[in-house]
Amino acid sequence: NAGVTQTPKFQVLKTGQSMTLQCAQDMNHNSMYWYRQDPGMGLRLIYYSASEGTTDKGEVPNGYNVSRLNKREFSLRLESAAPSQTSVYFCASTAGQGANNEQFFGPGTRLTVL
Amino acid sequence: GESVGLHLPTLSVQEGDNSIINCAYSNSASDYFIWYKQESGKGPQFIIDIRSNMDKRQGQRVTVLLNKTVKHLSLQIAATQPGDSAVYFCAENKLKAAGNKLTFGGGTRVLVKP
Repeated sequence: NAGVTQTPKFQVLKTGQSMTLQCAQDMNHNSMYWYRQDPGMGLRLIYYSASEGTTDKGEVPNGYNVSRLNKREFSLRLESAAPSQTSVYFCASTAGQGANNEQFFGPGTRLTVL
Repeated sequence: GESVGLHLPTLSVQEGDNSIINCAYSNSASDYFIWYKQESGKGPQFIIDIRSNMDKRQGQRVTVLLNKTVKHLSLQIAATQPGDSAVYFCAENKLKAAGNKLTFGGGTRVLVKP
Protein backbone atom coordinates (compact mmCIF):
# COMPACT_ATOMS: atom_id res chain seq x y z
CA ASN A 1 0.00 0.00 0.00
CA ALA A 2 1.31 3.45 -0.92
CA GLY A 3 -1.05 5.08 1.62
CA VAL A 4 -1.79 8.70 0.73
CA THR A 5 0.04 10.16 -2.26
CA GLN A 6 0.16 13.79 -3.38
CA THR A 7 1.35 15.49 -6.54
CA PRO A 8 3.21 17.68 -7.16
CA LYS A 9 5.72 17.82 -4.30
CA PHE A 10 6.74 21.40 -5.10
CA GLN A 11 5.13 24.17 -7.14
CA VAL A 12 5.84 27.83 -7.80
CA LEU A 13 3.04 29.96 -9.22
CA LYS A 14 2.65 33.57 -10.18
CA THR A 15 -0.20 35.58 -8.70
CA GLY A 16 -3.38 34.89 -10.64
CA GLN A 17 -2.32 31.52 -12.03
CA SER A 18 -4.42 28.45 -11.38
CA MET A 19 -3.47 24.91 -10.46
CA THR A 20 -4.84 21.67 -9.08
CA LEU A 21 -3.25 19.66 -6.31
CA GLN A 22 -3.87 15.94 -6.62
CA CYS A 23 -4.39 13.43 -3.80
CA ALA A 24 -5.08 9.71 -3.88
CA GLN A 25 -5.38 7.00 -1.23
CA ASP A 26 -5.36 3.23 -1.66
CA MET A 27 -6.73 2.27 1.78
CA ASN A 28 -10.41 2.25 0.73
CA HIS A 29 -11.05 5.13 3.13
CA ASN A 30 -14.37 6.95 3.05
CA SER A 31 -13.29 10.40 4.25
CA MET A 32 -10.62 12.68 2.80
CA TYR A 33 -9.31 16.08 3.84
CA TRP A 34 -7.21 19.00 2.65
CA TYR A 35 -5.19 21.05 5.15
CA ARG A 36 -2.76 23.90 4.89
CA GLN A 37 0.15 24.41 7.26
CA ASP A 38 1.80 27.80 7.64
CA PRO A 39 5.01 28.49 9.59
CA GLY A 40 4.39 28.62 13.33
CA MET A 41 0.86 27.27 13.03
CA GLY A 42 -0.82 23.93 13.20
CA LEU A 43 -2.84 22.36 10.42
CA ARG A 44 -5.97 24.18 9.31
CA LEU A 45 -8.74 22.37 7.48
CA ILE A 46 -9.60 23.80 4.06
CA TYR A 47 -12.20 21.32 2.77
CA TYR A 48 -13.19 17.77 3.48
CA SER A 49 -15.19 14.98 1.93
CA ALA A 50 -16.93 12.76 4.46
CA SER A 51 -17.83 10.24 1.77
CA GLU A 52 -17.74 9.85 -1.99
CA GLY A 53 -20.04 12.40 -3.57
CA THR A 54 -19.97 14.92 -0.71
CA THR A 55 -17.73 17.87 0.07
CA ASP A 56 -17.89 20.49 2.82
CA LYS A 57 -16.03 23.61 3.84
CA GLY A 58 -13.54 23.55 6.65
CA GLU A 59 -12.01 26.38 8.60
CA VAL A 60 -10.29 28.26 5.73
CA PRO A 61 -12.08 27.49 2.40
CA ASN A 62 -11.87 30.89 0.69
CA GLY A 63 -9.90 30.83 -2.56
CA TYR A 64 -10.14 27.05 -2.97
CA ASN A 65 -12.40 24.48 -4.58
CA VAL A 66 -12.37 20.70 -4.29
CA SER A 67 -13.55 17.70 -6.23
CA ARG A 68 -14.06 14.20 -4.87
CA LEU A 69 -13.45 12.48 -8.18
CA ASN A 70 -14.09 8.97 -6.85
CA LYS A 71 -13.50 7.14 -3.61
CA ARG A 72 -9.71 7.20 -4.10
CA GLU A 73 -9.11 10.75 -5.31
CA PHE A 74 -9.70 14.19 -3.84
CA SER A 75 -8.30 17.25 -5.62
CA LEU A 76 -7.81 20.83 -4.45
CA ARG A 77 -7.96 23.69 -6.96
CA LEU A 78 -6.68 27.23 -6.68
CA GLU A 79 -8.47 29.24 -9.38
CA SER A 80 -6.47 32.46 -8.97
CA ALA A 81 -3.47 32.01 -6.72
CA ALA A 82 -2.51 34.71 -4.23
CA PRO A 83 0.70 35.14 -2.18
CA SER A 84 -1.37 34.45 0.97
CA GLN A 85 -1.83 30.91 -0.33
CA THR A 86 1.88 30.19 -0.05
CA SER A 87 1.90 27.24 2.31
CA VAL A 88 2.43 23.52 2.66
CA TYR A 89 -0.68 21.55 1.70
CA PHE A 90 -1.46 18.15 3.18
CA CYS A 91 -4.06 15.65 2.12
CA ALA A 92 -5.33 13.09 4.62
CA SER A 93 -7.81 10.23 4.74
CA THR A 94 -9.60 8.18 7.37
CA ALA A 95 -11.76 5.10 7.37
CA GLY A 96 -14.82 7.06 8.41
CA GLN A 97 -17.49 7.35 11.05
CA GLY A 98 -17.74 4.53 13.50
CA ALA A 99 -14.08 3.64 13.26
CA ASN A 100 -11.13 5.16 15.05
CA ASN A 101 -10.60 8.52 13.48
CA GLU A 102 -6.88 8.29 12.90
CA GLN A 103 -6.11 10.33 9.81
CA PHE A 104 -3.32 9.21 7.50
CA PHE A 105 -1.39 12.03 5.86
CA GLY A 106 0.36 12.41 2.54
CA PRO A 107 3.88 13.88 2.22
CA GLY A 108 2.66 17.37 1.37
CA THR A 109 2.86 19.86 -1.51
CA ARG A 110 5.01 22.93 -0.96
CA LEU A 111 3.42 25.82 -2.85
CA THR A 112 4.97 29.26 -3.34
CA VAL A 113 2.94 32.04 -4.94
CA LEU A 114 5.01 34.98 -6.16
CA GLY B 1 14.19 22.63 4.26
CA GLU B 2 10.95 22.55 6.18
CA SER B 3 9.87 25.94 7.45
CA VAL B 4 7.06 24.66 9.65
CA GLY B 5 7.59 25.24 13.32
CA LEU B 6 9.72 28.40 13.22
CA HIS B 7 7.69 30.03 15.97
CA LEU B 8 6.56 26.98 17.88
CA PRO B 9 7.28 26.43 21.58
CA THR B 10 10.38 24.30 21.88
CA LEU B 11 11.29 21.59 24.35
CA SER B 12 15.01 20.80 24.57
CA VAL B 13 15.73 17.38 26.01
CA GLN B 14 18.94 15.52 26.74
CA GLU B 15 19.21 12.20 24.95
CA GLY B 16 18.09 9.45 27.30
CA ASP B 17 15.88 11.68 29.43
CA ASN B 18 12.09 11.52 29.43
CA SER B 19 10.08 14.14 27.54
CA ILE B 20 6.67 15.49 28.45
CA ILE B 21 4.68 17.45 25.88
CA ASN B 22 1.49 19.17 26.98
CA CYS B 23 -1.65 20.15 25.12
CA ALA B 24 -4.79 21.97 26.21
CA TYR B 25 -7.82 21.09 24.12
CA SER B 26 -10.80 23.31 23.58
CA ASN B 27 -13.96 21.26 23.17
CA SER B 28 -15.37 19.55 26.25
CA ALA B 29 -17.51 17.40 23.92
CA SER B 30 -14.43 15.87 22.25
CA ASP B 31 -14.10 12.17 22.95
CA TYR B 32 -11.14 11.07 20.89
CA PHE B 33 -7.61 12.43 20.98
CA ILE B 34 -4.53 11.75 18.89
CA TRP B 35 -0.87 12.65 19.04
CA TYR B 36 0.98 13.16 15.76
CA LYS B 37 4.70 13.49 15.08
CA GLN B 38 5.91 15.57 12.15
CA GLU B 39 9.50 15.33 11.02
CA SER B 40 11.04 17.98 8.84
CA GLY B 41 9.73 17.83 5.28
CA LYS B 42 7.18 15.12 5.99
CA GLY B 43 3.50 14.78 6.74
CA PRO B 44 2.20 14.17 10.28
CA GLN B 45 2.52 10.59 11.46
CA PHE B 46 0.23 8.91 14.00
CA ILE B 47 1.84 8.11 17.35
CA ILE B 48 -0.91 7.15 19.78
CA ASP B 49 -4.58 7.82 20.46
CA ILE B 50 -6.90 7.73 23.46
CA ARG B 51 -10.65 7.77 23.93
CA SER B 52 -12.35 9.83 26.60
CA ASN B 53 -13.36 6.76 28.61
CA MET B 54 -9.68 6.26 29.46
CA ASP B 55 -7.22 8.46 31.33
CA LYS B 56 -4.01 6.69 30.34
CA ARG B 57 -2.78 4.65 27.41
CA GLN B 58 0.67 3.25 26.77
CA GLY B 59 2.48 2.42 23.58
CA GLN B 60 6.05 1.64 22.78
CA ARG B 61 8.09 4.26 24.73
CA VAL B 62 5.10 6.62 24.69
CA THR B 63 2.29 7.24 27.16
CA VAL B 64 -0.68 9.54 26.70
CA LEU B 65 -2.47 10.97 29.72
CA LEU B 66 -5.90 12.56 29.53
CA ASN B 67 -7.38 14.85 32.19
CA LYS B 68 -10.92 15.69 31.10
CA THR B 69 -11.57 17.83 34.16
CA VAL B 70 -9.09 20.46 33.00
CA LYS B 71 -9.15 19.52 29.29
CA HIS B 72 -5.49 18.60 29.25
CA LEU B 73 -3.60 16.01 27.27
CA SER B 74 0.04 15.06 27.61
CA LEU B 75 2.48 12.85 25.74
CA GLN B 76 5.36 11.27 27.59
CA ILE B 77 8.30 9.87 25.65
CA ALA B 78 10.60 7.59 27.61
CA ALA B 79 14.36 7.57 27.01
CA THR B 80 14.22 10.23 24.30
CA GLN B 81 16.32 9.47 21.24
CA PRO B 82 17.70 11.70 18.47
CA GLY B 83 15.05 10.28 16.14
CA ASP B 84 12.38 11.77 18.40
CA SER B 85 13.37 15.28 17.31
CA ALA B 86 10.27 16.59 15.53
CA VAL B 87 7.19 18.75 15.95
CA TYR B 88 4.41 17.10 17.94
CA PHE B 89 0.73 17.95 17.51
CA CYS B 90 -2.29 16.94 19.54
CA ALA B 91 -5.66 16.66 17.82
CA GLU B 92 -9.20 16.26 19.14
CA ASN B 93 -12.38 14.89 17.61
CA LYS B 94 -15.93 13.95 18.43
CA LEU B 95 -16.30 10.39 17.17
CA LYS B 96 -19.93 10.52 16.10
CA ALA B 97 -19.81 14.00 14.57
CA ALA B 98 -20.27 14.26 10.82
CA GLY B 99 -17.12 14.38 8.77
CA ASN B 100 -14.72 12.98 11.38
CA LYS B 101 -12.94 16.29 11.48
CA LEU B 102 -9.89 16.70 13.67
CA THR B 103 -8.99 19.99 15.36
CA PHE B 104 -5.25 20.37 15.72
CA GLY B 105 -3.31 22.16 18.42
CA GLY B 106 -0.46 24.53 17.59
CA GLY B 107 2.36 22.02 18.07
CA THR B 108 5.53 21.73 20.13
CA ARG B 109 9.01 21.30 18.71
CA VAL B 110 11.18 18.73 20.51
CA LEU B 111 14.95 19.03 20.12
CA VAL B 112 17.03 16.14 21.44
CA LYS B 113 20.55 17.09 22.51
CA PRO B 114 23.23 14.39 22.23
